[in-house]
Amino acid sequence: EVQLVESGGGLVQPGGSLRLSCGASGFTFSSYWMNWVRQAPGEGLEWVANIKQDGTEKYYMDSVKGRFTISRDNAKNSLYLQMNSLRAEDTAVYYCARGYGPGSQSFPFFPWGQGTLVTVSS
Amino acid sequence: DIQMTQSPSSLSASVGARVTITCRASQGIRDDLGWYQQKPGKAPKRLIYAASSLQSGVPSRFSGSGSGTEFTLTISSLQPEDFATYYCLQHNSYPWTFGQGTKVEIK
Repeated sequence: EVQLVESGGGLVQPGGSLRLSCGASGFTFSSYWMNWVRQAPGEGLEWVANIKQDGTEKYYMDSVKGRFTISRDNAKNSLYLQMNSLRAEDTAVYYCARGYGPGSQSFPFFPWGQGTLVTVSS
Repeated sequence: DIQMTQSPSSLSASVGARVTITCRASQGIRDDLGWYQQKPGKAPKRLIYAASSLQSGVPSRFSGSGSGTEFTLTISSLQPEDFATYYCLQHNSYPWTFGQGTKVEIK
């Protein structure tokens, strides 16, 4: 079964840092782009960042550029999001989601993890 | 940035009704569009990819159409389990952007 499991969320003070992880199983992780998507409480979905299969290309939404860093470890089948200088408006459930890869159905986003909640508050 | 304007923002419909949701892109995105369903407290689930291709395992009452700037998601006969919020996503150019969502409620 293709599965993504996020971890690392929690309560952090404004200006603080947090590192999210996403463990992948059931597919060849190294063959796919991977993404982070977030959802603030009661709000819609927002794409945050993605990373190419070999980590050589990374893209970010404007409001997190310079503060968040996406990375991956293909040997560990894991995706990460290092979040620094956190702000109240970063409070959200963060999902990892698989993106482009081999095969005719490999378009964003399928599947999704269950999400991990990040709360930025003093 | 490409803006995705989704309409309506909410709708109320009866079981068995035909429902259509529209997404308009602020510039052409070919068929680089997906549709997602989200139920409260759950992760989104992909229904449609490449604008009109049905995700494996998704009921055939869901269909997608469109290309360029105008896209539609149609539910041919609304079922009780379809009451949820639906989002479109453009993945043609960065930053990728979602529509604001359509909440489908029971009438």
